[in-house]
Amino acid sequence: QSVLTQPPSASGTPGQRVTISCSGSNSNIGTNSVNWYQQLPGMAPKLLIFSNNERPSGVPDRFSGSKSGTSASLAIRGLQSEDEADYFCAAWDDGLNGSWLFGGGTKLTVL
Amino acid sequence: QLQLQESGPGLVRPSETLSLTCTVSGDSINKYFWSWIRQPAGGGLEWIGRLYPTGTTNYNPSVYGRVTMSADTSRNQFSLRLTSVTAADTAVYFCAIRGWFGGAFLDYWGQGALVRVS
Repeated sequence: QSVLTQPPSASGTPGQRVTISCSGSNSNIGTNSVNWYQQLPGMAPKLLIFSNNERPSGVPDRFSGSKSGTSASLAIRGLQSEDEADYFCAAWDDGLNGSWLFGGGTKLTVL
Repeated sequence: QLQLQESGPGLVRPSETLSLTCTVSGDSINKYFWSWIRQPAGGGLEWIGRLYPTGTTNYNPSVYGRVTMSADTSRNQFSLRLTSVTAADTAVYFCAIRGWFGGAFLDYWGQGALVRVS
């Protein structure tokens, strides 16, 4: 069971705005920044958001991230069919010797 | 274009050692730190550990005592060794290199290598 908690599924229709939440604790999200990854079927994860709300070069501005306290969110506006994928949050945890944590993942379905 | 490729046996017997190598092309690995992540079929991502060019390592407590990461910078490669494997170690193993450049976090992954323990 992941220490970072995400809803297992989310859905939306084309053009809609959807959000995916990620809940952690003081030792991870509460202290450290959050990354978000998109994983298309059969592919390696791709970095979507780093440092809570920064987009790597090439990531559309339809994707945005935010963090408040021990929770973070990924928002996707103007949903497109190609956004159908698994989304994972990730953060460093300051526990014993430190460890990088991933959320359990959210499968986004575009209806 | 920076590319990463995992290589190693796709089948490992229980109690034996899993060994994977990540070969990087397109840039020197010395600019980055190196990570391994795995994903069981239909499951989530599990970070295994990371290795810095300085030799500093961080490992997931779930694999403490069984994992070793190393690098051969002359070959632009880094490796993962996981001993005493069980069926629970069956997964797709991804290598990744990460680093901070000009305020941006760069994060590159290999395509993944399926390793079955059976």
